Amino acid sequence: DTEVTQTPKHLVMGMTNKKSLKCEQHMGHRAMYWYKQKAKKPPELMFVYSYEKLSINESVPSRFSPECPNSSLLNLHLHALQPEDSALYLCASSQAGFPTSNQPQHFGDGTRLSIL
Amino acid sequence: SQKIEQNSEALNIQEGKTATLTCNYTNYSPAYLQWYRQDPGRGPVFLLLIRENEKEKRKERLKVTFDTTLKQSLFHITASQPADSATYLCALPGGYNKLIFGAGTRLAVHP
Repeated sequence: DTEVTQTPKHLVMGMTNKKSLKCEQHMGHRAMYWYKQKAKKPPELMFVYSYEKLSINESVPSRFSPECPNSSLLNLHLHALQPEDSALYLCASSQAGFPTSNQPQHFGDGTRLSIL
Repeated sequence: SQKIEQNSEALNIQEGKTATLTCNYTNYSPAYLQWYRQDPGRGPVFLLLIRENEKEKRKERLKVTFDTTLKQSLFHITASQPADSATYLCALPGGYNKLIFGAGTRLAVHP
């Protein structure tokens, strides 16, 4: 079992639906991340939160909207997605809020998203 | 632009042998480098972090080297087991708060 919990594990949605992905960690980590991973490709960074504030947005389309309600929770709100958005969405956390690229990241097992 | 290269072809080895995976990078001067393992349908799992002044780091059957002159890291698994079969990703800092992952190398250890 991983220490970063993501729900749901699978999600199928239509292009007009609104849904949310949830990520939770109780390790006291102060940085949290969203990644997108397509089959046979590496994880691609989408967003970084440090100390509950958005510190990096990798030019992600506005149909993806992140939210960090508190230091343990990270949400990704989805609206009007396209079929090409189908992928594995991974959440990760690391201990210090900044800088973070010199620290191990702890990943959840992801949400497998399919857009019909 | 910054580029990370890992052998995209799968590495097939016999159980008990040493597996060696390569991570090459260009247009980088990273102070550290990380290795992760990813199993199908799972998130990556952190294995090792090596700093530029460490040259070599070990953890149980794993060994990582970091050659900043060659711009290369080697990842070794000694006495490999079928349970070591997975995709191995190297990752370098892409900024203060970013990791950039290589495409990964799939390792298959055959009994």
